[in-house]
Amino acid sequence: AQSVTQLGSHVSVSEGALVLLRCNYSSSVPPYLFWYVQYPNQGLQLLLKYTSAATLVKGINDFEAEFKKSETSFHLTKPSAHMSDAAEYFCAVSVPNTGTASKLTFGTGTRLQVTL
Amino acid sequence: NAGVMQNPRHLVRRRGQEARLRCSPMKGHSHVYWYRQLPEEGLKFMVYLQKENIIDESGMPKERFSAEFPKEGPSILRIQQVVRGDSAAYFCASSPEAASGNTIYFGEGSWLTVV
Repeated sequence: AQSVTQLGSHVSVSEGALVLLRCNYSSSVPPYLFWYVQYPNQGLQLLLKYTSAATLVKGINDFEAEFKKSETSFHLTKPSAHMSDAAEYFCAVSVPNTGTASKLTFGTGTRLQVTL
Repeated sequence: NAGVMQNPRHLVRRRGQEARLRCSPMKGHSHVYWYRQLPEEGLKFMVYLQKENIIDESGMPKERFSAEFPKEGPSILRIQQVVRGDSAAYFCASSPEAASGNTIYFGEGSWLTVV
């Protein structure tokens, strides 16, 4: 079975600073990995996904993540935080080539706070 | 192209009542997933359906919960005899195919409060 661990349930950065949200996964086979963002009382929006192509994945709003197999990590970064980035971020994993392939396993989320 | 539509957005039920949550997938999507988000937690998979078929219900509680996706109409998540612990946000998602590289698109959720 696969799992996801997000280190740090709350992260606070200053506007303009680097954003780093950590995600480590566990999977018995090479996984697919996703980052979603959730604004208050809204659904999840896909930021980016890794599906075994390039290990550095670029997403929307200048977010990117790098798949590092040796570290079993898929950390999310953004060079310069904006106030509008304040939200909950979820890392998720799915297992390719299974009968329920699109079923996602989510981490517990990291709440990003951006301060002036 | 409308996104995944869920209704109601907010639902209040007394203990012992039934809750029905509806989900209309994106146009052209025939695969529907239901997830539950408890307070301060991530989303947990509940069930995966295609039209008229339940493909994977490994995340569904054994009792009181059921889901369907009929040939016509929205997918329905039904919770009978609700208890306070059922209070959560229930998210529906859809995809055009089952391949795991496909993005699944989430609705805005239905917030169930049991009083």
